[in-house]
Amino acid sequence: DARVTQTPRHKVTEMGQEVTMRCQPILGHNTVFWYRQTMMQGLELLAYFRNRAPLDDSGMPKDRFSAEMPDATLATLKIQPSEPRDSAVYFCASGKQGSYNSPLHFGNGTRLTVT
Amino acid sequence: KQEVTQIPAALSVPEGENLVLNCSFTDSAIYNLQWFRQDPGKGLTSLLLIQSSQREQTSGRLNASLDKSSGRSTLYIAASQPGDSATYLCAAFTFSNDYKLSFGAGTTVTVRA
Repeated sequence: DARVTQTPRHKVTEMGQEVTMRCQPILGHNTVFWYRQTMMQGLELLAYFRNRAPLDDSGMPKDRFSAEMPDATLATLKIQPSEPRDSAVYFCASGKQGSYNSPLHFGNGTRLTVT
Repeated sequence: KQEVTQIPAALSVPEGENLVLNCSFTDSAIYNLQWFRQDPGKGLTSLLLIQSSQREQTSGRLNASLDKSSGRSTLYIAASQPGDSATYLCAAFTFSNDYKLSFGAGTTVTVRA
């Protein structure tokens, strides 16, 4: 079964440190999404790539967050410097654009705790 | 902007009872409506996807209906089992939102043995 792989699964870091989360989308999927999930806000879209190009990152705090896709098999989400309010579960999802009736596939997430 | 609401936020039923989970959305111009399941500590797993031209979709004990005109979708789970305990989220893929899903907050289901 093809799946989206995220690393690390858990990350505990101190405020001010840089955090990098990685995602390997399903082979053949050309859209990648980064979501953040918290109890208070639910699922929030942070960034969205199509064919490796960033299409929308309006949900992301630009001063500290950055998202990239250096190649088709790797997406990264970076936080620098991290803050306690960034503590959340970060999910990556991939899908096929142009096939609007193809479901999104989610990874198991990175649980980030910033102390 | 598409707003997706799920009521109730939590539901507890005895094993064997049928489950009815509700989802409402404000913008009826959708490509599809998707239902996901999320287990604790895990990502979301796609359960059913209803295309905008469809009225319902079925998979095993799961049946999802879609009424675009009233902005509603319902997920039915027949003969619930303890293994059905999870959080269920619906998401609308909207024309105005360019391949971005708008998620509801989810309904957390507990099936008591």
